[in-house]
Amino acid sequence: EVQLVESGGGLVQPGGSLRLSCAASGFSISSYDMNWVRQAPGKGLEWVSYMSGLTGSTWYADSVKGRFTISRDNAKNSLYLQMNSLRDEDTAVFYCARGHFSVWGQGTTVTVSS
Amino acid sequence: DVVMTQSPLSLPVTLGQPASISCRSGQSLVHSNGNTYLIWFYQRPGQSPRRLIYQVSNRDSGVPDRFSGSGSGTDFTLKISRVEAEDVGVYYCMQATHWPWTFGQGTKVEIK
Repeated sequence: EVQLVESGGGLVQPGGSLRLSCAASGFSISSYDMNWVRQAPGKGLEWVSYMSGLTGSTWYADSVKGRFTISRDNAKNSLYLQMNSLRDEDTAVFYCARGHFSVWGQGTTVTVSS
Repeated sequence: DVVMTQSPLSLPVTLGQPASISCRSGQSLVHSNGNTYLIWFYQRPGQSPRRLIYQVSNRDSGVPDRFSGSGSGTDFTLKISRVEAEDVGVYYCMQATHWPWTFGQGTKVEIK
């Protein structure tokens, strides 16, 4: 069964860091483009970051560029999102999604608050 | 950035009746490779989004055929031919043609 499971969310103070993980099963992430999408409480969806399965090239939303870094570990079949310099407005549920969003994880909650 | 504008933002519908959601983009979504990367999603409260339609009009596996997508260029539509109770939720369009990729604001569908 194709599945994505996110983890690593939690409560962090403004200015802090957090690393999210997305464990894939049923397929190899090295063969697919992968994404992070977030949803602030009561708000809509916001695309955050993308990594090409073929080339490893990456793209970011302007709101996170320079603060967030997407990466993957093919051996662990996992995708990551390193989040630094976190702000209150980064509070959201973070989802990983495969390709053009055909498969989604259940999400992990990040709360940035003092 | 490409702004995606959905309308209406709230859509009260009658069971068994049709429903339609519009999504307009700030620029053409035709990619240099000729494809148009306009995607529709559905999300129930407390659940992850689910893709319904990709590349304007291709229905995902398992999506009921009462859902259909159409449009071209900058003007797109999601139609539900006969609304069922399980269709209640929020629908989003998204463009994956131009970086950064962007979502519409979402349309909340509820039963009258």
